[in-house]
Amino acid sequence: DTGVSQNPRHKITKRGQNVTFRCDPISEHNRLYWYRQTLGQGPEFLTYFQNEAQLEKSRLLSDRFSAERPKGSFSTLEIQRTEQGDSAMYLCASSVGGLGNTEAFFGQGTRLTVV
Amino acid sequence: AQKVTQAQTEISVVEKEDATLDCVYETRDTTYYLFWYKQPPSGELVFLIRRNSFDEQNEISGRYSWNFQKSTSSFNFTITASQVVDSAVYFCALSDPYGGATNKLIFGTGTLLAVQP
Repeated sequence: DTGVSQNPRHKITKRGQNVTFRCDPISEHNRLYWYRQTLGQGPEFLTYFQNEAQLEKSRLLSDRFSAERPKGSFSTLEIQRTEQGDSAMYLCASSVGGLGNTEAFFGQGTRLTVV
Repeated sequence: AQKVTQAQTEISVVEKEDATLDCVYETRDTTYYLFWYKQPPSGELVFLIRRNSFDEQNEISGRYSWNFQKSTSSFNFTITASQVVDSAVYFCALSDPYGGATNKLIFGTGTLLAVQP
């Protein structure tokens, strides 16, 4: 399977715990995005990497959130001290760079439930 | 500011009928891209079509067709002869390639298409 891969698919955690999600993009894609999707809403942009550089972060990304892409390949998204409001689907997408704005390919997401 | 509005929360059609999904967008930019994505129950967003702001020619791709009208800022999507497997949430999205060069997508709230057998 050469698509975008996300792990885990589901995560249930207690409020206050830390969680980490992983995204493996399509191998030749240098752009990587994280989005968050709550029930009944469209995905909302969280952050963007070009290779290993994190070039943009949304105001939705509070101090409890951190994302990395250490070698320009896979990426991790960590949420510290989780809150019930963090419950959502976290989607990762990748694309090829360039102003031609080629389409982004999405993974199946990680569904987080904070209890 | 950029915004995408999908006024239809849910539409229901019977198999083999056509289904048209509406999308209205707002942007101050003259160069932008519009997309349609499909999200089946499995959760993965599947890319369907892309259009740039300079190309208003409407096209047909298999059972999919779209109607892009800059004058009304609309980018409607039609599935011809719908099938049960088309049942999913469909998202319209807008991207501004010059807005910080991130090419991030601004999504609408989605339209649930239910195709009844």
